[in-house]
Amino acid sequence: GEDVEQSLFLSVREGDSSVINCTYTDSSSTYLYWYKQEPGAGLQLLTYIFSNMDMKQDQRLTVLLNKKDKHLSLRIADTQTGDSAIYFCAESIAGGFKTIFGAGTRLFVKA
Amino acid sequence: EAGVAQSPRYKIIEKRQSVAFWCNPISGHATLYWYQQILGQGPKLLIQFQNNGVVDDSQLPKDRFSAERLKGVDSTLKIQPAKLEDSAVYLCASNPTSGRGYEQYFGPGTRLTVT
Repeated sequence: GEDVEQSLFLSVREGDSSVINCTYTDSSSTYLYWYKQEPGAGLQLLTYIFSNMDMKQDQRLTVLLNKKDKHLSLRIADTQTGDSAIYFCAESIAGGFKTIFGAGTRLFVKA
Repeated sequence: EAGVAQSPRYKIIEKRQSVAFWCNPISGHATLYWYQQILGQGPKLLIQFQNNGVVDDSQLPKDRFSAERLKGVDSTLKIQPAKLEDSAVYLCASNPTSGRGYEQYFGPGTRLTVT
């Protein structure tokens, strides 16, 4: 079946690195995404990775994909209080026409 | 470029009442999505439009939910009659392509409370 799982909470200190993990079940995923949701707002795409890539780096963000284990991670370097939000892992399936979202990981950044 | 607009932002109704939500996607975006986000969960797709045609409505509770996208631009989502379990945030998103992968642009959502 289609399922994306994430841990619910992560707490880090300002300046530390944050690593948010995700597992998915559909091996035919074409894209995998990380979205950010701040209070009272919709989701905003942070980054995405094609399923044939292992790693993608974008400024403070590093995405690692282990396709064999169906494991995706998002590393945020030098985490700031402004990074406090809910982070959703998502995969596109059905040839890219459908996106399945995880339940989200709430990141708390302590000053 | 203006983002995805949704209204109202908040709505409180009693069970068995009706409610309608409106979405205006980003200009030129062909694909429009309605998601239901229950507290503590990720968004769940209710319906996907490609222009004014329905691509996927397999998870739309059709006995009470309906949606339309006239002229392939704005869209409305209606619930009639509402149940307590419909309390959620209803998110609208749009995509400039045919819907194959790529980024979805989300509106701020409408928070529905059914009492």
